[in-house]
Amino acid sequence: EIVLTQSPGTLSLSPGERATLSCRASQSVSRYLAWYQHKPGQAPRLLIYDTSNRASGVPARFSGSGSGTDFTLTISGLEPGDFAVYYCQLRMRSNWPPWTFGQGTKVEI
Amino acid sequence: QVQLVQSGAEVTKPGASVKVSCKASGYDFTNYAVHWLRQAPGQRPEWMGWFKPGINKAKYSQRFQGRVTLTGDTSANTAYMDLSSLRPEDTAVYSCARGYYYDSDGYYFDFWGQGTLVTVSS
Repeated sequence: EIVLTQSPGTLSLSPGERATLSCRASQSVSRYLAWYQHKPGQAPRLLIYDTSNRASGVPARFSGSGSGTDFTLTISGLEPGDFAVYYCQLRMRSNWPPWTFGQGTKVEI
Repeated sequence: QVQLVQSGAEVTKPGASVKVSCKASGYDFTNYAVHWLRQAPGQRPEWMGWFKPGINKAKYSQRFQGRVTLTGDTSANTAYMDLSSLRPEDTAVYSCARGYYYDSDGYYFDFWGQGTLVTVSS
C-alpha cells in the first residue's frame, strides 16, 4: 500500500507570502496526483489534478509540480481566503485502495 | 451548477446501522460515479467505495467490504451509503463526491457534498 506523507503539518504564514506544501509517496507513483483545499464547514475543492493542471476556476497563484515520489503545491502570494487545510490525493490502479490521501497540511495565518 | 447535498447529522449506537443520502443536481446523474469517503477525527480522508448510477453497480474498499452498501435512485438523483455494525471508531464525517476525469470511475473528485457527521456512541 502506497502511503502519502504531507509536510509540514502546519505552515504559519502571512498574506502575500509564498506557501510550499510537500506530498511524498512511499514509492514512485504516476502523475495522477491531485490537491484539494478544505475550509471548515465547506466541501473540499479540487485545485490541481494530474500533478500540475489547475481545475476550472482555480487562480493562477496555485501551481503543482513533481514526479516520482515528491510532489509540491505552491501558492504564490497567499490571500486571506487561502488559509485552509490542503490534501494531496493519489489515483493508482495498482494500489489498494485505488484512491488514497495524505494527512493534510494546515496553512494558518 | 453542480451540487451534492447530503442528509443531516446522525447519532447512533454501537451495532446499529446508518444510511446517508446524497442528492445530486446540475448534471446528468447517470453519467458519473458517486464516491463515498470518510474522515475520522484527526485522520486522513479514506475512500470507501463508489456507486455508478447508470449501471447500478457498486465497488467497495476491502476495509469496509461486508459492512457498507452503496445504492442509488436515478428517479430521485440520489445516492445512498448504508453502513452497518457500527462501532465507536466509525465516528466520522462521511462525504459523497463526484468522480471526475479519465474514466468512468473518475480519477479525482471534482464536486463534494457538505459532509455528514455520524457519531457512534452508547
